[in-house]
Amino acid sequence: NAGVTQTPKFRVLKTGQSMTLLCAQDMNHEYMYWYRQDPGMGLRLIHYSVGEGTTAKGEVPDGYNVSRLKKQNFLLGLESAAPSQTSVYFCASSRTASDEAFFGQGTRLTVV
Amino acid sequence: ELKVEQNPLFLSMQEGKNYTIYCNYSTTSDRLYWYRQDPGKSLESLFVLLSNGAVKQEGRLMASLDTKARLSTLHITAAVHDLSATYFCAVSPAGSARQLTFGSGTQLTVLP
Repeated sequence: NAGVTQTPKFRVLKTGQSMTLLCAQDMNHEYMYWYRQDPGMGLRLIHYSVGEGTTAKGEVPDGYNVSRLKKQNFLLGLESAAPSQTSVYFCASSRTASDEAFFGQGTRLTVV
Repeated sequence: ELKVEQNPLFLSMQEGKNYTIYCNYSTTSDRLYWYRQDPGKSLESLFVLLSNGAVKQEGRLMASLDTKARLSTLHITAAVHDLSATYFCAVSPAGSARQLTFGSGTQLTVLP
């Protein structure tokens, strides 16, 4: 079972470059989320989506944009990468707002 | 702003011993989640606690929720090395459209 799949797994960017992280889920979940995880901290919510065509800001949305054109995909974009965006990014999905979330394997992003 | 505090942040324990990890949160919630993360890996859902007094057990782990005290505990019984990981609790405020706030995590090391 694929579950939640993130691409790429690793990426190094130069300051000012842009990139898109792709998250795909095959569980027909309505809710999808992007988190970042920094050393010694829990996960912080960047953006989330409660269904196809919808997005909403989380706790730390600045510098990121998202799109959910298809139910199974949730894209996270960095328009102009900054060193402060060096982090591990996790995508997750859940069937409802109360259900447990299933996480992807993470993307380790380094901005130099 | 919802705050979630876990303690301890670091825990070393001998195999066969019992211990409890605490998760305190600052605002009304009736949904609490426990996750496990192995080094360099994704998050795995352990428990979903959806009501006051909820208790769930899986193997050597037992989680409980006291919404009046805004406290959840994760109790480890007769620890074994395989339980070494980082454990996160996550809380969603009552009435939220789903914005989980994670604790900083408890890094557990079980020593032989």
